[in-house]
Amino acid sequence: EAGVAQSPRYKIIEKRQSVAFWCNPISGHATLYWYQQILGQGPKLLIQFQNNGVVDDSQLPKDRFSAERLKGVDSTLKIQPAKLEDSAVYLCASSSIRTGTYEQYFGPGTRLTVT
Amino acid sequence: AQSVTQPDIHITVSEGASLELRCNYSYGATPYLFWYVQSPGQGLQLLLKYFSGDTLVQGIKGFEAEFKRSQSSFNLRKPSVHWSDAAEYFCAVGATGNTPLVFGKGTRLSVIA
Repeated sequence: EAGVAQSPRYKIIEKRQSVAFWCNPISGHATLYWYQQILGQGPKLLIQFQNNGVVDDSQLPKDRFSAERLKGVDSTLKIQPAKLEDSAVYLCASSSIRTGTYEQYFGPGTRLTVT
Repeated sequence: AQSVTQPDIHITVSEGASLELRCNYSYGATPYLFWYVQSPGQGLQLLLKYFSGDTLVQGIKGFEAEFKRSQSSFNLRKPSVHWSDAAEYFCAVGATGNTPLVFGKGTRLSVIA
């Protein structure tokens, strides 16, 4: 089966610009996560979706970050306006309760550099 | 709140030597525990997981980990390291199988000849 797809793989923007990332989860996976991984740290959750509803967005900086998952499949994460501290790798992951494996499958990530 | 501590930021081992990466977690109930590996420019790949049953779990690539409730630990081991094992290793904890993971800061493994 195809894995989690993300695009773009790399993005360089100037501060105060906007940027959007796209994620296509594994087919049939109802749960989708966005994590932020700053250099030298482990991934940190930004938002969790169950189908097209938000389950947890407590750590999402809502003044500048937004995310949506239309039709419960693909998802986009947007930053507007970007700050220098947003430089990080943004990882998308998906999972399914039905598989019973309790595994989150991660995409390759989008590396964002804000200058 | 859940938390994960990986005390070793960087470990260097010789090829063929044994390896142990440490992980301590903080969680009130029995957690779901995971070890992931991340190669440069790649996403995270699951090595193994524990959520119940036998406390010694086997994973891919010859890795194993042991859950010790009394020590709140879930250390990763491999009897003989290969050069291709050089990567970043992350321990993670989840409340259930379908909740966000809390990751440690990672341990970078270098393998020398």
